[in-house]
Amino acid sequence: GAVVSQHPSWVICKSGTSVKIECRSLDFQATTMFWYRQFPKQSLMLMATSNEGSKATYEQGVEKDKFLINHASLTLSTLTVTSAHPEDSSFYICSARVPGLSSYEQYFGPGTRLTVT
Amino acid sequence: AQKVTQAQTEISVVEKEDVTLDCVYETRDTTYYLFWYKQPPSGELVFLIRRNSFDEQNEISGRYSWNFQKSTSSFNFTITASQVVDSAVYFCALSNGYSTLTFGKGTMLLVSP
Repeated sequence: GAVVSQHPSWVICKSGTSVKIECRSLDFQATTMFWYRQFPKQSLMLMATSNEGSKATYEQGVEKDKFLINHASLTLSTLTVTSAHPEDSSFYICSARVPGLSSYEQYFGPGTRLTVT
Repeated sequence: AQKVTQAQTEISVVEKEDVTLDCVYETRDTTYYLFWYKQPPSGELVFLIRRNSFDEQNEISGRYSWNFQKSTSSFNFTITASQVVDSAVYFCALSNGYSTLTFGKGTMLLVSP
């Protein structure tokens, strides 16, 4: 099956700094990637849909200036949390859609655990 | 709007017991897809099953079985003879095919030896 990786798997950063999370599709080209956030003991909430070569589409309530998404290639999307604060601490999961298939055909990355101190 | 309800927040069982995780969904679409995912403590989502709205046949895969009933908008998941390794959070999800997934809040299953 299709493989999606994320890097780093966990990161600790200081309040006020920025941190970048990478999502890569390893064996297929993904024109669409999705970014989810999951707080402890809660469900996955879609943050944004990332399309290669165009601006990301953010869900209501997600600050686009704080969560910068770049999908510069068919195999890489990045999420940058700018000026991170402790409330941004969360588990961030990306998924990639296989081209030509429906939106539900998503392959999930292993997630990145962000802790902001 | 789509909605997925997993009313059971946490379930605790003893190994070898059978356990059923409930999932109730809401959608106005006639074509839709239902999923179950497992999220072990490591955090990585593990795909378990996908069912489309036109296929109400129940499915069995080893110790896992799924009961899809459109009449009650439910897609329940049963683990037979549970094992400690089944301990995880289980998510039910819904998609109409052209939108992304809507997840339920998840059910944490704790299987003790």
